[in-house]
Amino acid sequence: NAGVTQTPKFRVLKTGQSMTLLCAQDMNHEYMYWYRQDPGMGLRLIHYSVGEGTTAKGEVPDGYNVSRLKKQNFLLGLESAAPSQTSVYFCASREGNTEAFFGQGTRLTVV
Amino acid sequence: KQEVTQIPAALSVPEGENLVLNCSFTDSAIYNLQWFRQDPGKGLTSLLLIQSSQREQTSGRLNASLDKSSGRSTLYIAASQPGDSATYLCAALFYPNKLIFGTGTLLAVQP
Repeated sequence: NAGVTQTPKFRVLKTGQSMTLLCAQDMNHEYMYWYRQDPGMGLRLIHYSVGEGTTAKGEVPDGYNVSRLKKQNFLLGLESAAPSQTSVYFCASREGNTEAFFGQGTRLTVV
Repeated sequence: KQEVTQIPAALSVPEGENLVLNCSFTDSAIYNLQWFRQDPGKGLTSLLLIQSSQREQTSGRLNASLDKSSGRSTLYIAASQPGDSATYLCAALFYPNKLIFGTGTLLAVQP
């Protein structure tokens, strides 16, 4: 049982490049989340989804877009990467009032 | 605004001490609260989940309590060990399905 899988694990981008991070879950969870974590800080919510075809803004949505075309996948896109988006990105999924499960993280560096 | 705060930001204790980590949230309309542990450079490990209808949960040397009316949760660690050294994060599941994290408490247990 894989749980929540993030792809890729590491990536280096040049300023202005675009990329998509993939979060895949195999637990048939309804809710999915994208966070960023900067040094010495907790996780900040970027966007989230309450079901297939839905997305909503979190605390820090600017500069990111998301899509949930399939229930098991939640994609996070950076259209024009900036150094300020250098961070570790975590994805999570949950169902009902149960605990949230997290991926292993994606370390992104924008130079 | 739905916010989660953790105090203190950092804590250093000698081995064997019992300690309490604090988590406060601004909106009492939460579904549940989850405590996590994060080791340096690693992902999140779920420790305890407390539903809004519960007052406390226990797992081994860990005990988490929840007081919705005062907007507070505490994580009690008994007989601390050097292996407990990590960052501890709490996350509140707010209506409607926003999972918001605190900034974390960095714990160091000195041998």
